[in-house]
Amino acid sequence: DAGVIQSPRHEVTEMGQEVTLRCKPISGHDYLFWYRQTMMRGLELLIYFNNNVPIDDSGMPEDRFSAKMPNASFSTLKIQPSEPRDSAVYFCASRDDAGSREQYFGPGTRLTVT
Amino acid sequence: GENVEQHPSTLSVQEGDSAVIKCTYSDSASNYFPWYKQELGKRPQLIIDIRSNVGEKKDQRIAVTLNKTAKHFSLHITETQPEDSAVYFCAAILMNRDDKIIFGKGTRLHILP
Repeated sequence: DAGVIQSPRHEVTEMGQEVTLRCKPISGHDYLFWYRQTMMRGLELLIYFNNNVPIDDSGMPEDRFSAKMPNASFSTLKIQPSEPRDSAVYFCASRDDAGSREQYFGPGTRLTVT
Repeated sequence: GENVEQHPSTLSVQEGDSAVIKCTYSDSASNYFPWYKQELGKRPQLIIDIRSNVGEKKDQRIAVTLNKTAKHFSLHITETQPEDSAVYFCAAILMNRDDKIIFGKGTRLHILP
């Protein structure tokens, strides 16, 4: 397996624009997590899905953020409208439902909002 | 809910010396404690973990210890090498109840030549 795939790897956009981040989890994994990483806040969990269903979105900062998982192999995180404070690295991670709780992270998307 | 505190936030050690990173957790029921390493510009990756039924686990130059009574656990790296420079995250979870891992804020480890 190629591991967790994220796109784009880098995104630069202007304030007010819509941003869509994409993630393809490892095949067979039941859980998908979206994290945001900044120097100030560290690694924050935004939302996670189990079997494509959103389970906990308490980490989503505000209504400008939304996430979907239309099927087992694809998820999106959308920010509309984007603001400079949204600049961060966004990671997607997945894991299976057996054994350990090891999460496999994607390479991340570095978002810069100017 | 669970809360994980991690110290120090930054640590510099001379190459060849040992490094220790400490974490405390709040939920005494937590029973699984993974450590992730994130090299500069890379993704976090699991390097070692420990379950609450053991007090210590070793893997070559790294070891983790767990004190359930005090609710703290530590990562020990011996004979540090330049490639150990990274950010290390501790985490805690109660397996079979919780889905999400609670991460500490991370420790940036610098190995000095």
